Amino acid sequence: QKEVEQNSGPLSVPEGAIASLNCTYSDRGSQSFFWYRQYSGKSPELIMFIYSNGDKEDGRFTAQLNKASQYVSLLIRDSQPSDSATYLCAVTLPSNTGNQFYFGTGTSLTVIP
Amino acid sequence: KAGVTQTPRYLIKTRGQQVTLSCSPISGHRSVSWYQQTPGQGLQFLFEYFSETQRNKGNFPGRFSGRQFSNSRSEMNVSTLELGDSALYLCASRRSGAQETQYFGPGTRLLVL
Repeated sequence: QKEVEQNSGPLSVPEGAIASLNCTYSDRGSQSFFWYRQYSGKSPELIMFIYSNGDKEDGRFTAQLNKASQYVSLLIRDSQPSDSATYLCAVTLPSNTGNQFYFGTGTSLTVIP
Repeated sequence: KAGVTQTPRYLIKTRGQQVTLSCSPISGHRSVSWYQQTPGQGLQFLFEYFSETQRNKGNFPGRFSGRQFSNSRSEMNVSTLELGDSALYLCASRRSGAQETQYFGPGTRLLVL
C-alpha cells in the first residue's frame, strides 16, 4: 500500500471554476502535509503546507486537512489557465532517522479557457 | 534568500559513462535530499544527507551515490550510466524544526544515449 494516494486525473475545469484536488494517506502518524505544483518540464514548487486539522487559506488556494479521515485536499478558487499543472501531495512520517517525505504520483489539472 | 541551485541544468552522456551532479541548498538548511523523476515512475527518493551523513536511502542500486560537504553542498554520482538513468534529478533543501518544509531546486535533466 502506498503511503500517499492521488487520483492521477486528468482533471479538467473551466476557467473561473473551483478545482478540487484530493489526497489520502495511509499512516495515521503522518505529521505534515504539503502541496506542490509542477509545470511540465519544471521542478515542483511548494504552494501550500498544513500541519493541523482544518483549513488554511493563501490567496486563491485553500488546503484542508482531516486527520480522522486521513485526507488532505487542495481547493483552487477562480481557476486560471496558468494553474494548469500537475499537483503533488506530500506527507512526512517520523522515523528514527528523521522525518521522511512521501510523495503521491500527482494529479494533472487542466483549466480550460 | 537565494533558492536551491543545481548544476549543471542539462547533461548528455553515453552509456557506461559516469556523471556528477551538484546541489547547493538554501542558506541555513542542513538537509539535502535527491530524487529521480521519470514520466513513468514519478518522484523516486534516492537519498538524504544531513550534516555530512547519509540519513536515509531509497531503493536504488549502488551505482547511485552521494555525499555532502561541510558547507551543506551536496553531490550525487551515477557510475556506469544506463539508458534508464535518463531522468530529471531533483535536489531538495529541507528546513528542519517544528514545521519542516522542503524546497526543490530547478533540477538537472540527464539524457543517456
